[in-house]
Amino acid sequence: QTVVTQEPSLTVSPGGTVTLTCASITGAVTSGFYPNWFQLKPGQAPRALIYSTRNKHSWTPARFSGSLLGGKAALTVSGVQPEDEAEYYCLLYYGGSWVFGGGTKLTVL
Amino acid sequence: QITLKESGPTLVKPTQPLTLTCTFSGFSLTTTAVGVGWIRQPPGKALECLALIYWDDDKRYSPSLKNRLTITKDTSKNQVVLTMTNVDPVDTATYYCAVLSGSHIFHSWGQGTLVTVSS
Repeated sequence: QTVVTQEPSLTVSPGGTVTLTCASITGAVTSGFYPNWFQLKPGQAPRALIYSTRNKHSWTPARFSGSLLGGKAALTVSGVQPEDEAEYYCLLYYGGSWVFGGGTKLTVL
Repeated sequence: QITLKESGPTLVKPTQPLTLTCTFSGFSLTTTAVGVGWIRQPPGKALECLALIYWDDDKRYSPSLKNRLTITKDTSKNQVVLTMTNVDPVDTATYYCAVLSGSHIFHSWGQGTLVTVSS
């Protein structure tokens, strides 16, 4: 049984905007789940993008933003670039345990 | 600059134990609210959080694997060691370590190390 659910795949055109979501089987995702978002590209170390719902790391491009949307954690990419093609994972905190979502494969086409 | 590097065997036989070491620099595991975690990704599958150890030696394990995992730290060597017992081919994966601060902020990751379980 999948605890944390993400869209398996999404496609976006260069310059477009896309929102990836992260849902919990337990109900609405709140700030207390401390959502983190990561980008994975083949052959590279995973890169942290967002922490605690909406906070960016110093290296996070401005086009990435985090939020809570309709009871889910969300990662929005505005003005998508070809280099944003990657897998994206959310990570939620369950009172001591951390659980990853199944990941979203983002295609820029 | 924070760096982490995973090391360990690339091939392990089924039923054998697996020991992985995360060697890090740029932070201290004696600093309040800092932790180091181990995460894996089997080929073609999702990330899975295996274990975390915090500055105060608090340890957290994946519920499904906790009977097989042990995480320890050596602050003098800036290392975190993960031991997994009784490995199986399904444990074949890329294993990563990552640093957390403020107990909830995942920062930097290592490049990962691919471990294959096969006879």
